[in-house]
Amino acid sequence: EAGVTQFPSHSVIEKGQTVTLRCDPISGHDNLYWYRRVMGKEIKFLLHFVKESKQDESGMPNNRFLAERTGGTYSTLKVQPAELEDSGVYFCASSPYRERGTQYFGPGTRLLVL
Amino acid sequence: SQQGEEDPQALSIQEGENATMNCSYKTSINNLQWYRQNSGRGLVHLILIRSNEREKHSGRLRVTLDTSKKSSSLLITASRAADTASYFCATASNQAGTALIFGKGTTLSVSS
Repeated sequence: EAGVTQFPSHSVIEKGQTVTLRCDPISGHDNLYWYRRVMGKEIKFLLHFVKESKQDESGMPNNRFLAERTGGTYSTLKVQPAELEDSGVYFCASSPYRERGTQYFGPGTRLLVL
Repeated sequence: SQQGEEDPQALSIQEGENATMNCSYKTSINNLQWYRQNSGRGLVHLILIRSNEREKHSGRLRVTLDTSKKSSSLLITASRAADTASYFCATASNQAGTALIFGKGTTLSVSS
């Protein structure tokens, strides 16, 4: 079974540009989560989808971040316009709807905003 | 707000030794999980312990949970060079699909 995949693995952009990150969860997992780790800080929750619906987006830092999960399969996280402080590693995780607890993480996308 | 706090921040040991990492948290939890991250890689789930459990084993891993002290420990026995990684504890406040709250992690270095 394929794990959670994320694309791209790395992205280097300039301040003010737009970047779109993609996450493909494990097939059949209804729960999809986005997290990020800014340099030197802890991994922080951004938002949670159940299928195509946003269940919890309390961790989204501001309106420059837009997440979608059309059709309840893969998800995208767009940052527009990117700022220097957005640099970090963005992780995606998924879990089956009925499974309590364990989340399966992707390898992350390393974003550097110059 | 930060939930998990790992201790120590960094740990260096020799192969064959045991490594113990501690995690403290602030609010009530449904479960606590430990994850490992190898350099440049994603997070790998190691073990989950529920709030009504006190100890759990998985291979060379032993996790304890003390809800009265709001703390957990991860013991890796007979460590190997391949155990070199960052280890994070993460807490979940309820049993439904929910946000995990991570600590800053412990960086473990195992030398041969």
